[in-house]
Amino acid sequence: ETGVTQTPRHLVMGMTNKKSLKCEQHLGHNAMYWYKQSAKKPLELMFVYNFKEQTENNSVPSRFSPECPNSSHLFLHLHTLQPEDSALYLCASSQTLAGAERAYNEQFFGPGTRLTVL
Amino acid sequence: KQEVTQIPAALSVPEGENLVLNCSFTDSAIYNLQWFRQDPGKGLTSLLLIQSSQREQTSGRLNASLDKSSGRSTLYIAASQPGDSATYLCAVGSSNTGKLIFGQGTTLQVKP
Repeated sequence: ETGVTQTPRHLVMGMTNKKSLKCEQHLGHNAMYWYKQSAKKPLELMFVYNFKEQTENNSVPSRFSPECPNSSHLFLHLHTLQPEDSALYLCASSQTLAGAERAYNEQFFGPGTRLTVL
Repeated sequence: KQEVTQIPAALSVPEGENLVLNCSFTDSAIYNLQWFRQDPGKGLTSLLLIQSSQREQTSGRLNASLDKSSGRSTLYIAASQPGDSATYLCAVGSSNTGKLIFGQGTTLQVKP
């Protein structure tokens, strides 16, 4: 596997289901991101993790719960979703310079998970 | 609040034409700017990254410029090909937090 991989690629779930999206990066990066892409709206950042610590939560509802066990893996746990949560969920990673500068570099994206909530 | 706008929303050109895609942003205090390509139903492919201290970046037939003072970036595609057909997204990094603000994208169609 190379780059950033995401599973599953497609997911259909009911509003009462619990499911998880998985992202894995094979680039040796230390920052990982979740984005949401809805129809006719700009791509929207959800969460940022840097060295396994969450550094950004863009006012995301609690029915979305991220988990970052290590710098290579990122999960998005889903529960009690709404139909308007149907979207393409994209994961990305980047290399961060350690230390006070904390410079975030070029982001590389996975293929996405197409989520449909019935 | 940073806002990113891309014009036009859609563009159709004949093969071989040189073209320019535009991106504008409201807050000039950016950290970097990244151009992406997205094919239908797929993820994003990074094309070019421009740091705030740079004026342009080039990769093959692609050239991206950055003018922070006017809040603009352009992506120049030389000698367009049908394989260039995709949606092109501009994203601005507004701080050293890794957060990217995306534009709506320009959907390009290159006709053979």
